[in-house]
Amino acid sequence: GAVVSQHPSRVICKSGTSVKIECRSLDFQATTMFWYRQFPKKSLMLMATSNEGSKATYEQGVEKDKFLINHASLTLSTLTVTSAHPEDSSFYICSARDRTASYGYTFGSGTRLTVV
Amino acid sequence: ELKVEQNPLFLSMQEEKNYTIYCNYSTTSDRLYWYRQDPGKSLESLFVLLSNGAVKQEGRLMASLDTKARLSTLHITAAVHDLSATYFCAVDNTGNQFYFGTGTSLTVIP
Repeated sequence: GAVVSQHPSRVICKSGTSVKIECRSLDFQATTMFWYRQFPKKSLMLMATSNEGSKATYEQGVEKDKFLINHASLTLSTLTVTSAHPEDSSFYICSARDRTASYGYTFGSGTRLTVV
Repeated sequence: ELKVEQNPLFLSMQEEKNYTIYCNYSTTSDRLYWYRQDPGKSLESLFVLLSNGAVKQEGRLMASLDTKARLSTLHITAAVHDLSATYFCAVDNTGNQFYFGTGTSLTVIP
């Protein structure tokens, strides 16, 4: 089945630094990938839709300059949290859709970001 | 904005009992998904429901979809401890966006 690899699984960074999270579709091409943020014991909040070769579509309230998304190839999307602050600490999850499957969305393993 | 609500948010049930989780959504969609999430983990796909009246079953879980009522249910039969997790439904709209429900935290107790 479709596999989405997300890296790193955990990262701790200092306030003011930037962190890049990678999301790769391993055995299929993904023209669209999604980035979510999840707070403890809460649901997943869609942050942005990443489109290969074009600009990402951000959800209302999500800062574009804060959360930079790049989808340079059909198998890789990256989320960069710039100038991280403690309030950016969260669980970030990416997903991609394998259009050869029955409308299935596959999720990465998630990245636990802690900003200290 | 598409809204997806689940009921209940928290569910504590005894082993061997049956229960149903409800998922209501606010806009037209023919595709409804159910996922399971264990603490600290990502999501595991359970069911994909693609049309009105769709019913799928896997083990002790059965999911159904009523697109006219904009309602999906996840029925748990004879619960066991291993089913303890958080369950999410999700809907994608015509804009190719994917929204999650509020989640149901299920705890199965002996």
